[in-house]
Amino acid sequence: GAGVSQSPRYKVTKRGQDVTLRCDPISSHATLYWYQQALGQGPEFLTYFNYEAQPDKSGLPSDRFSAERPEGSISTLTIQRTEQRDSAMYRCASSLAGPGYEQYFGPGTRLTVT
Amino acid sequence: DQQVKQNSPSLSVQEGRISILNCDYTNSMFDYFLWYKKYPAEGPTFLISISSIKDKNEDGRFTVFLNKSAKHLSLHIVPSQPGDSAVYFCAASAATVFGNEKLTFGTGTRLTIIP
Repeated sequence: GAGVSQSPRYKVTKRGQDVTLRCDPISSHATLYWYQQALGQGPEFLTYFNYEAQPDKSGLPSDRFSAERPEGSISTLTIQRTEQRDSAMYRCASSLAGPGYEQYFGPGTRLTVT
Repeated sequence: DQQVKQNSPSLSVQEGRISILNCDYTNSMFDYFLWYKKYPAEGPTFLISISSIKDKNEDGRFTVFLNKSAKHLSLHIVPSQPGDSAVYFCAASAATVFGNEKLTFGTGTRLTIIP
C-alpha cells in the first residue's frame, strides 16, 4: 500500500479482555516499530522489528504486552488482560533498514479500556 | 525522566513571520534528530532531520539548527503559513549496532498560525 495502515482505528474493550492490534507497513520497509502515545504526550517506544527479528523489547511495559511479525511484513501487538492504564493511542511506524532513515507513521489505533 | 523536552506546549505566530520551535535533550548519546508534524486524526509525518555531525540543515521554508554543546535544537519556519498549524514533535535517536532505531519524542508544541 501507499502508506502504513493500522486496524482497527478504534477499539473499546472491557478490563481483563485481550486485544490484538494490527499494523501493515509500507511494503519495501524492513523495519517496523510500535509506539504508545498517551494524551498530550509524544509517542513512547515499545518495540521494533528488523524483518522477523525483534532486537529490542525494552519499551514493553509488562509481560502482558507482546508483538509478532512472523513473516517480516504485517505485525500484531497483543495486550493480554487489559487494564485501564493501557488506554492510549498505539502507533505503528516503518522505515527502510539502517541508520538515518525516517520513520513513517500509521494513523494509530485508539484503545479504550473500560 | 524526559530525555527530550519541548517546554512550550503552544505557540502562536502571525502569518508571514518566523516560527521558532525549541527542543532540549539530556542524553549525550543522541546523534540523530528529527522533527515531525502532526495534524489531528493523522499519524506524525516526517518534516526534517539533522545528524549530530552538522549544525544546520535546510529544506525550503524549514531549517533545523543543532547546538550540541547546549544540547538544544530548534526548528525555524519562514515564512509561516496557515497550513503550518499543527503539533510539532522533536525526536532523537542514538546509534546502535543495528543503526539508529528507536525514537525518543518530546511532548510536542502546538503551533497556530494566525492569518
